Amino acid sequence: NAGVIQTPRHKVTGKGQEATLWCEPISGHSAVFWYRQTIVQGLEFLTYFRNQAPIDDSGMPKERFSAQMPNQSHSTLKIQSTQPQDSAVYLCASSLRTGTSAETLYFGSGTRLTVL
Amino acid sequence: GEKVEQHESTLSVREGDSAVINCTYTDTASSYFPWYKQEAGKGLHFVIDIRSNVDRKQSQRLIVLLDKKAKRFSLHITATQPEDSAIYFCAASMANYNVLYFGSGTKLTVEP
Repeated sequence: NAGVIQTPRHKVTGKGQEATLWCEPISGHSAVFWYRQTIVQGLEFLTYFRNQAPIDDSGMPKERFSAQMPNQSHSTLKIQSTQPQDSAVYLCASSLRTGTSAETLYFGSGTRLTVL
Repeated sequence: GEKVEQHESTLSVREGDSAVINCTYTDTASSYFPWYKQEAGKGLHFVIDIRSNVDRKQSQRLIVLLDKKAKRFSLHITATQPEDSAIYFCAASMANYNVLYFGSGTKLTVEP
């Protein structure tokens, strides 16, 4: 089991460019989460999918950010027209979500996005 | 929404001593409280959790205490070792919902 895989590990974009971040959850896990980590804001929840359906995107900035989960094996976080304040480590996590109880989240190593 | 406050931003202990990290939360509906560890350049790794139906849980050298009345929980690491050095995050969520809200992290340094 390779764990949650995030690619790329590092991404540098110029201001105004688009950035797409990829996440492969652990096989068999039905829930996928995206978080953003910065020194100032700490760990911020962005969005949550269960069985590929968006469940909660209350943490997503309303403009420029979007997330998708087209199949069980990957999710993407897309940031359009990137700004320097988007620079952060973006973490993806997955969980089994077999029932209604809260479960352990398994995190990937993150993608460090730097917007110049 | 839920807000989790982690009181110690840094903590330094001598090898073999105990370390205690304290967190408080605001939402009375929260009932699941996990702790995660993050080493440099890596993602978060689960270490231990506690649910609101108990007030104490132990796993080897780790003890978690929960005080629901005070909306406070804490992580105790006994007999600390240098490999315990990392950033520790507390988190909270509701029982039937998996979104975790994290504290700001505590950087623990265990000095030999």
